[in-house]
Amino acid sequence: AQSVAQPEDQVNVAEGNPLTVKCTYSVSGNPYLFWYVQYPNRGLQFLLKYITGDNLVKGSYGFEAEFNKSQTSFHLKKPSALVSDSALYFCAVRVYQTGANNLFFGTGTRLTVIP
Amino acid sequence: DTGVSQDPRHKITKRGQNVTFRCDPISEHNRLYWYRQTLGQGPEFLTYFQNEAQLEKSRLLSDRFSAERPKGSFSTLEIQRTEQGDSAMYLCASTHKDRPKETQYFGPGTRLLVL
Repeated sequence: AQSVAQPEDQVNVAEGNPLTVKCTYSVSGNPYLFWYVQYPNRGLQFLLKYITGDNLVKGSYGFEAEFNKSQTSFHLKKPSALVSDSALYFCAVRVYQTGANNLFFGTGTRLTVIP
Repeated sequence: DTGVSQDPRHKITKRGQNVTFRCDPISEHNRLYWYRQTLGQGPEFLTYFQNEAQLEKSRLLSDRFSAERPKGSFSTLEIQRTEQGDSAMYLCASTHKDRPKETQYFGPGTRLLVL
């Protein structure tokens, strides 16, 4: 079975400070990991993904994420938060196999960047 | 705009009525997915099409739900005899079947409210 956990429902950070949004996963094979962001009344926007290769993945809007196989984590990070980063963030996992290859999502973390 | 589009963006209906949503995927994306997102949760997989063939359905997809993709392009999701528990955001995503590592791109969603 595949699952994703986002242990924090809410993360608050001051503008200009580094931010981390946590994600851990559980899969039975090699994971493909994704981060999406959702702004109010809008769909999910792709931020970044890990497939293979370097454990540190860089994505849109200055975000990056580090894949840690031993800790089964894929935390989202940004060195300096902006107020405009305030949104709902979802971690998702997929294992490549025959079939739908659909995504399994976490419950989301609401990030609030305080001016 | 060449992204995934969904129509309508919002739908309010009375319990017992039928509703139909439409999704237009990105051109040349032959895999299409429907997800449902309820308040405070991440999206959950409903069903998947490869071209016009519906290849997988989640157990979340009750008999009142039916999805089609008649020409392998746009897709429709119909809910018959709606219930208040059907109130949710319905998201559509698409990707290319020959690129299993590819990102799923999401539409803006259709928000359904059943009164």
